[in-house]
Amino acid sequence: GDSVTQMEGPVTLSEEAFLTINCTYTATGYPSLFWYVQYPGEGLQLLLKATKADDKGSNKGFEATYRKETTSFHLEKGSVQVSDSAVYFCALSGPSNTGKLIFGQGTTLQVKP
Amino acid sequence: DVKVTQSSRYLVKRTGEKVFLECVQDMDHENMFWYRQDPGLGLRLIYFSYDVKMKEKGDIPEGYSVSREKKERFSLILESASTNQTSMYLCASSWGSGGSYNSPLHFGNGTRLTVT
Repeated sequence: GDSVTQMEGPVTLSEEAFLTINCTYTATGYPSLFWYVQYPGEGLQLLLKATKADDKGSNKGFEATYRKETTSFHLEKGSVQVSDSAVYFCALSGPSNTGKLIFGQGTTLQVKP
Repeated sequence: DVKVTQSSRYLVKRTGEKVFLECVQDMDHENMFWYRQDPGLGLRLIYFSYDVKMKEKGDIPEGYSVSREKKERFSLILESASTNQTSMYLCASSWGSGGSYNSPLHFGNGTRLTVT
């Protein structure tokens, strides 16, 4: 079945460092891909999405490009801030899932001043 | 802004109790979902619903049931709570008939359930 694999965490960075969180997927057909973020004590909220190959999603300085050839959707940010500390989830949704999201296990990011 | 409200942030229940978790959304979304979140496992889908009085099993439905009598409300029921159901429960909703797969989910803040 469809699945999402994220890099193991936690990831600890200093403020202004470059961030990459790896995400790869297995899916039939052409899924939509998402990154969600969960700040402490809150539910998940959509960070960005891409719906077809080579699309780039972006929001709040974060970017991710839908790479069909490598089945990847890695999250990047050029300069992280302490306020970016959160848990990040990669997810996919496709026609075979009819609207259900399949999530990766989540990656905790801690940014130190 | 879409608001998804879960009735309790924290619940402590005893083994064998019947437990109700309530979720209400205010944006007339067709689709509603219940996930549980556990460390190292991410989010796993328990049940979902695309319409009133309609329900579908997710990946881990055992020990749970749901009710959707009104469009805005989706209840998760633990028929006889067990310690392995101690977890964070997240409700979500989205627009689109039949579960549009491009439609993002809007989540509530979660209910942390402890079963002793």
